[in-house]
Amino acid sequence: NAGVTQTPKFRILKIGQSMTLQCTQDMNHNYMYWYRQDPGMGLKLIYYSVGAGITDKGEVPNGYNVSRSTTEDFPLRLELAAPSQTSVYFCASSYSAQGLRETQYFGPGTRLLVL
Amino acid sequence: GDSVTQMEGPVTLSEEAFLTINCTYTATGYPSLFWYVQYPGEGLQLLLKATKADDKGSNKGFEATYRKETTSFHLEKGSVQVSDSAVYFCALSASNDMRFGAGTRLTVKP
Repeated sequence: NAGVTQTPKFRILKIGQSMTLQCTQDMNHNYMYWYRQDPGMGLKLIYYSVGAGITDKGEVPNGYNVSRSTTEDFPLRLELAAPSQTSVYFCASSYSAQGLRETQYFGPGTRLLVL
Repeated sequence: GDSVTQMEGPVTLSEEAFLTINCTYTATGYPSLFWYVQYPGEGLQLLLKATKADDKGSNKGFEATYRKETTSFHLEKGSVQVSDSAVYFCALSASNDMRFGAGTRLTVKP
């Protein structure tokens, strides 16, 4: 049981490049989330999904896109990378019947540097 | 909107000292409250939670009580260990929102 896995662990992008951060969970959780963590700051919710085919914006969605075609996978897409997107990205999942109130399980994170 | 304010760090304590990390929140409804812990190089993991007023969450010697009257959820531990060194995040969630505090780095020296 691997929990939440994320790839890659670290990536350097040039300004304007695109990339997809991968996230997979094997706990059959219905909810999945993407966060970014900037130095000295708490996590900010980018997007979340309540199930396959359903996604919704969080606090900081601009510059990102998501899709959820399966229960297990929730990729995060950066189309035109900007230096402001330099951050550590965490994926998380939870099983919930009442919104975001349940315990979330986090992946190890992807460190992204945009130069 | 909803928000969480937690005690700024870093906090440095000697082993067996008493720990308090303050957390206050602003919310329009009745959120659930959490403390998450992040060890170096890892993702966050749940430490404890409380879902309604006067609930006390506890785990591994840590405790926090959901105080609606003071809108607080302070984290306490009676005797910290070197292994408790980590970053601690207070968080709240409503039905479709999740907010984290900025985190408090704790270092425990032997």
